[in-house]
Amino acid sequence: QVQLQESGPGLVKPSQTLSLTCNVSGGSINRGGYYWSWIRQHPGKGLEWIGHIYYGGSTYYNPSLKSRLTMSVEMSKNQFSLKLTSVTAADTAVYYCARTYGSYYFDFWGQGILVTVSS
Amino acid sequence: QSALTQPASVSGSPGQSITISCTGTSSDIGVYGYVSWYQQHPGKGPKLIIYNISNRPSGVSNRFSGSKSGNTASLTISGLQAEDEADYYCSSYTTSSTVLFGGGTKLTVL
Repeated sequence: QVQLQESGPGLVKPSQTLSLTCNVSGGSINRGGYYWSWIRQHPGKGLEWIGHIYYGGSTYYNPSLKSRLTMSVEMSKNQFSLKLTSVTAADTAVYYCARTYGSYYFDFWGQGILVTVSS
Repeated sequence: QSALTQPASVSGSPGQSITISCTGTSSDIGVYGYVSWYQQHPGKGPKLIIYNISNRPSGVSNRFSGSKSGNTASLTISGLQAEDEADYYCSSYTTSSTVLFGGGTKLTVL
């Protein structure tokens, strides 16, 4: 059973960079056919796809976040990461990492981590 | 890119069936068979319940079923149970190689 766990600071100041890591256990991040995704949920709102990355490094990003977004994979640690620059209060959300079959559906999810952007 | 359109809320009594619609465009739902549905209970992360329009992951009750017609996908829950009360989200792959979610539907079991 694949398990994912998000980690990172729960509080980020405006204009700074939000950095999160997702640790994957129970399966290898370099298993072919799977992408590794980030999804967020603003308080009381719906889900928003942020983007996903393949272990080989290819990425697909939400166009609305693309200019501020970087994803990376650390295969030796079986982890992948998210960096979102120049954050504002609008980036306050629960951030989930998830395994993605192809680019098509999210079959395993982390528990989520609340990130608040505030001074 | 706009979110897929779902009703904000639906309700039903135990034992009844309900259907949640998810409307997209010819650039997402209409062109691909990659529609999925997620169940989210309060304070929990989402759980995959339907993938590729109508397939159920192992362990998901057969009371959940999915379908698609044109640009609209649907999730049907039959034999409603109290534990089905949750938020439901649809999702689709798009021709821009991105993923869209619906705005979510709150299911109330009366």
